[in-house]
Amino acid sequence: GAGVSQSPSNKVTEKGKDVELRCDPISGHTALYWYRQSLGQGLEFLIYFQGNSAPDKSGLPSDRFSAERTGGSVSTLTIQRTQQEDSAVYLCASSFNNQPQHFGDGTRLSIL
Amino acid sequence: QKEVEQDPGPLSVPEGAIVSLNCTYSNSAFQYFMWYRQYSRKGPELLMYTYSSGNKEDGRFTAQVDKSSKYISLFIRDSQPSDSATYLCAMRGDSNYQLIWGAGTKLIIKP
Repeated sequence: GAGVSQSPSNKVTEKGKDVELRCDPISGHTALYWYRQSLGQGLEFLIYFQGNSAPDKSGLPSDRFSAERTGGSVSTLTIQRTQQEDSAVYLCASSFNNQPQHFGDGTRLSIL
Repeated sequence: QKEVEQDPGPLSVPEGAIVSLNCTYSNSAFQYFMWYRQYSRKGPELLMYTYSSGNKEDGRFTAQVDKSSKYISLFIRDSQPSDSATYLCAMRGDSNYQLIWGAGTKLIIKP
């Protein structure tokens, strides 16, 4: 079935490099969410999109983090000048019309 | 104090047992309650979705919401080793899109 797709599934990079994480939501889902999950922790909200607009960016940890969504579909989360504390699983979810969120399998990011 | 409290476990039970997983919350405005299951190296998968108080059953799973006590439960009957996973509760109010999450309970079903 056409679930939420995230790429890459794993990413290893050196401290200081920029990374881009991609999310392809379920077709027709207008809402898109990014979360971060550290080892053994719950989900930390990062940003919410409704269509191409981001009415809530309150969870972005610093100005090194940014996200965009184009065509009401694919979203990219960019982390600039990565730090070791950025190592985590980055999860994307989408939903339609206030229905529950459906998640992808995440990108496992490791900063060396 | 967190808005949603969930015992992280691990909770270890023998195969075939009835499992009870719980979350407590403090915000009386919460109206939508969800349980997600997360296997290792996978994303959370929606298991149960309920609105307001009451029970909802789906196969071996029953979700229960007690708004007067601000307490929600997920029961798993005839537990299987394949049920071993982390179970996350999540909830939100009527006019909010943002989910408030529990920390997740790690469940281990021993064959």
